[in-house]
Amino acid sequence: AQSVSQHNHHVILSEAASLELGCNYSYGGTVNLFWYVQYPGQHLQLLLKYFSGDPLVKGIKGFEAEFIKSKFSFNLRKPSVQWSDTAEYFCAVNARGGNNRKLIWGLGTSLAVNP
Amino acid sequence: ETGVTQSPTHLIKTRGQQVTLRCSSQSGHNTVSWYQQALGQGPQFIFQYYREEENGRGNFPPRFSGLQFPNYSSELNVNALELDDSALYLCASSLVSGGNSYEQYFGPGTRLTVT
Repeated sequence: AQSVSQHNHHVILSEAASLELGCNYSYGGTVNLFWYVQYPGQHLQLLLKYFSGDPLVKGIKGFEAEFIKSKFSFNLRKPSVQWSDTAEYFCAVNARGGNNRKLIWGLGTSLAVNP
Repeated sequence: ETGVTQSPTHLIKTRGQQVTLRCSSQSGHNTVSWYQQALGQGPQFIFQYYREEENGRGNFPPRFSGLQFPNYSSELNVNALELDDSALYLCASSLVSGGNSYEQYFGPGTRLTVT
């Protein structure tokens, strides 16, 4: 069965610290990969995506993620976090091709950045 | 370009009642997906509509049904409400074209409380 696992449920960092959130997926075919962010009181927003090509993708607000196919991973990174990065982060995948585009989601990681 | 909108924002219903949630997709998008997000969880895929037909369904009972209209807006209907149906219901729109699918954009959600 398809599944997404996020390693950290709660992360607390100080401003300027580096961030890495783990995401592993289980799926037997080719996938598209996403990171979404949900700021307090706001709706889900796309942070970055990987469809094909360069496995290192850059998103908004200084975030990047690296797709490592052999490890079925798509970890999110940011060199220096800010207080405004406090949010819930979700990793999601869907199968490439076919008509069913449903997203399979991880449980999310709650990030709190202390000023 | 208008984003995804959902109505109502909040809703309180009694067990056994029926509810209809509405979603207007982002301009230029032709596909709508519905998700249920319980507190502290990632979104769970309910179903997707493409060209006014259901195009994939998650593990939800038949009392969850939907519609997509010619203007690509959509409704989610839930009959015989149960307490466990209390959740945030998210609508996401996307473009499916030429066999390719693109990222999903989310609305703010409808918070449903069943008492």
